[in-house]
Amino acid sequence: GAVVSQHPSWVICKSGTSVKIECRSLDFQATTMFWYRQFPKQSLMLMATSNEGSKATYEQGVEKDKFLINHASLTLSTLTVTSAHPEDSSFYICSATGQSRGYNEQFFGPGTRLTVL
Amino acid sequence: SQKIEQNSEALNIQEGKTATLTCNYTNYSPAYLQWYRQDPGRGPVFLLLIRENEKEKRKERLKVTFDTTLKQSLFHITASQPADSATYLCALVGPDSWGKLQFGAGTQVVVTP
Repeated sequence: GAVVSQHPSWVICKSGTSVKIECRSLDFQATTMFWYRQFPKQSLMLMATSNEGSKATYEQGVEKDKFLINHASLTLSTLTVTSAHPEDSSFYICSATGQSRGYNEQFFGPGTRLTVL
Repeated sequence: SQKIEQNSEALNIQEGKTATLTCNYTNYSPAYLQWYRQDPGRGPVFLLLIRENEKEKRKERLKVTFDTTLKQSLFHITASQPADSATYLCALVGPDSWGKLQFGAGTQVVVTP
C-alpha cells in the first residue's frame, strides 16, 4: 500500500496557541486528502476534504476559521488548529487518495495526538 | 439520518477460530463498503473493499460479504491469530459523496492463544 506520513505524531500545547499538523503522501500524488478527528472509543469523524490547489470543503459543524487546511501541493496538506482549546484535544488523522490509486482506496497517516492544556 | 452500527462489545475469541463481525447501516445506499483495521494510537489500515454489486470478497484469511437488501456486511477472520487483535472499522461511501467515507465506531477483536 501507499505510504502517508504525519508530523508531528504528538503535540502538547497551551490553550490559545495554534498548532500545525502536516500530512504527506510519500510515494504517490494525492489529489485529494481528507482530515478526520477521533475521540477515544469513537469512530473517525470526517472534518474536511481537501483537493490540491483549491479550497477545502468542510463538514457540517466544523469551523473553517478554526481548522485551517492548506493543500498546496500533490504531496502535502496541512491542518492548523487555531487558538486551540482543551476541547480540541483529540487524535487527528489524515488520509490521501489520487488517480493513480483509483480514488476508492484511502491511505491513512499514523495520526497526530493533540493535547491542549 | 445515516447511521452505521458495529457491535460495541469486544469480541473475545480463541486462536484458530473464526471471528465474525457485523456492520449494519440505515438510510444509506453505499456504492461500496470498506473494512479497515486500527491498532491503538495508529491510523486505520485498509483491508478490503466490496462494491454494491458484489456479494463476497476474499483476501487471504479475510472474507467480506455485502447484502444490500439486509443493509449489512459481515467480516470474517478465519484461523484467527493473536496478531489479529485490533479494532476493525467498516466504512461506507455513498453514490453521491465521492470518496468521502463515513465510519462505524468499530469492534475490538481480542484473540487469545
